[in-house]
Amino acid sequence: QVQLVQSGAEVKKPGASVKVSCKASGYTFTGYYIHWVRQAPGQGLEWMGWINPNSGGTDYAQKFQGRVTMTRDTSISTAYMELSRLRSDDTAVYYCARLRVGDYDFLWDYWGQGTLVTVSS
Amino acid sequence: DIVMTQSPDSLAVSLGERATINCKSSHSVLDSSNNKNYLAWYQQKPRQPPKLLIYWASTRESGVPDRFSGSGSGTDFTLTISSLQAEDVAVYHCQQYYLTPPTFGPGTKLEIK
Repeated sequence: QVQLVQSGAEVKKPGASVKVSCKASGYTFTGYYIHWVRQAPGQGLEWMGWINPNSGGTDYAQKFQGRVTMTRDTSISTAYMELSRLRSDDTAVYYCARLRVGDYDFLWDYWGQGTLVTVSS
Repeated sequence: DIVMTQSPDSLAVSLGERATINCKSSHSVLDSSNNKNYLAWYQQKPRQPPKLLIYWASTRESGVPDRFSGSGSGTDFTLTISSLQAEDVAVYHCQQYYLTPPTFGPGTKLEIK
């Protein structure tokens, strides 16, 4: 069965960077884009960007341009999201999600369990 | 960016009764070339990721019970649960996937009365 398993919770100081991993199993990793979506405490969902695991191509939301880097390691079917220059308002649960196959760009059928990133001095 | 709003913020409904959640977009999400509304609904239970319920505004994802239905077009949409079950307690999010970036509503919390 399809699974996306994310790395564990992180606590970071303002100005630091965090790198979250998302290990895929149960399907061909290079066949589906991986997106990242975050959710601040008590808030709605916010799209951050995607990576094409086959080519390594990426696209980031304008809000995160210059601070986010999405990469992948096809040998271990894992995608990564690194966010730098962390601020307190980056405290959130970060999800990876697999793009659902179809005639659209932003619809997701499988999600990771989420990784809580806490930014605090 | 397209702004999504939802109403109400929270809702308490008795078991077996109907629950209705509304979603409004600041820009039409109807593509006239294919007559499809790029609007989805997700269900999120506590400490779980979102789960896709409905896409194209009214198409149920595989495995989703038929008590869940979606309707609407253009800028105004509705999610209806025809007969509320205990396991339906969750936050429900609408999302547009018509334009980049995809955007979500703030969520509606559904509880049992």
